[in-house]
Amino acid sequence: DAKTTQPTSMDCAEGRAANLPCNHSTISGNEYVYWYRQIHSQGPQYIIHGLKNNETNEMASLIITEDRKSSTLILPHATLRDTAVYYCIPLGSNYQLIWGAGTKLIIKP
Amino acid sequence: DVKVTQSSRYLVKRTGEKVFLECVQDMDHENMFWYRQDPGLGLRLIYFSYDVKMKEKGDIPEGYSVSREKKERFSLILESASTNQTSMYLCASSDSSSMNTEAFFGQGTRLTVV
Repeated sequence: DAKTTQPTSMDCAEGRAANLPCNHSTISGNEYVYWYRQIHSQGPQYIIHGLKNNETNEMASLIITEDRKSSTLILPHATLRDTAVYYCIPLGSNYQLIWGAGTKLIIKP
Repeated sequence: DVKVTQSSRYLVKRTGEKVFLECVQDMDHENMFWYRQDPGLGLRLIYFSYDVKMKEKGDIPEGYSVSREKKERFSLILESASTNQTSMYLCASSDSSSMNTEAFFGQGTRLTVV
């Protein structure tokens, strides 16, 4: 299973773009990169995922490097409600998400 | 709106009690998972199931068992609850047809064993 490395914590000003990096240098060719977040005392919430191409949905954008060794989650206009722990997780053919420690993102007014 | 529903949000049980945590999903998903989450340790997989009556051990199955008699329901059983099983328990489900699909989580059950 691929391992990931994420910053322990980050701050971002409200209204600005939040860019969360993730290193997954051991990811294999068929593993998707998934991003989830967990707001305090709630279950994790799916944000976005991708394999090779950059992806965008109503919540965020995902930029994956060409060599697939790292990715960046972008929240374009962060709000206070985006304060959460963000997890970058490779998903392989066993359909099991292996969770790391994630990045604690704090949005400041 | 798709849903994974866990039977209790908060639960307090005594040491030695048999505890049932229930999880129901309405998305006709094949895969269902039970995790526990503890401060500093993140989410750890206890058991998962790929189909009815099928179960697989995760990373920390000791002290737990599971039951999947119907596709929509996945139960986690603590045969004899102990204080070190005090934790947040999270259930999830996903479609098995492809890796290109997300998992959906319940809101969690915060279990305290006294």
